[in-house]
Amino acid sequence: DAGVIQSPRHEVTEMGQEVTLRCKPISGHNSLFWYRQTMMRGLELLIYFNNNVPIDDSGMPEDRFSAKMPNASFSTLKIQPSEPRDSAVYFCASSFQGSAGNTIYFGEGSWLTVV
Amino acid sequence: QQPVQSPQAVILREGEDAVINCSSSKALYSVHWYRQKHGEAPVFLMILLKGGEQKGHDKISASFNEKKQQSSLYLTASQLSYSGTYFCGTENYGGSQGNLIFGKGTKLSVKP
Repeated sequence: DAGVIQSPRHEVTEMGQEVTLRCKPISGHNSLFWYRQTMMRGLELLIYFNNNVPIDDSGMPEDRFSAKMPNASFSTLKIQPSEPRDSAVYFCASSFQGSAGNTIYFGEGSWLTVV
Repeated sequence: QQPVQSPQAVILREGEDAVINCSSSKALYSVHWYRQKHGEAPVFLMILLKGGEQKGHDKISASFNEKKQQSSLYLTASQLSYSGTYFCGTENYGGSQGNLIFGKGTKLSVKP
């Protein structure tokens, strides 16, 4: 069974450019999470979808960040325009929200460097 | 509210034991433990839901205290493969279900 699939795995871009990160959750999972990880701030939840609907986007840093989930098998996280401080590892994760204690499975991450 | 993990880092010799703690000022709905190796994604270890619960597999186990404010991860007879950063992720009562807030992590290094 395939896990959470993210692309690209690595991206280096110049400041001001648009960055789009993509995620395919595990089939059958109905919740999807975007996390950002940096040395300084650790693992931060950016946004969380349940049944394709954004539930909590309080972690999205600013208007430059946006996320969509057009269907149950695809989500994007977009940064426009990108800035050097956006450099981080961005993880997508998914889970099945059906009962108590739902395990969240992480993708391999997208390593973003903005120069 | 971010859980507090301790210690921040620990260095062990192979075969030694370690305990990693995760604390919250309020009762938690659940605690999830993950291990992350450098350059890789966090990998799920276990979840605790009930006060007083203890569970584990192989030489890695965890507990959740009765008040559901503290969890500990126990690594016994550590192996080189246990090296990595361990995170606890907590779910709060009244929060969005499945919304985990992660601690800052505990870096474990096991030396031969």
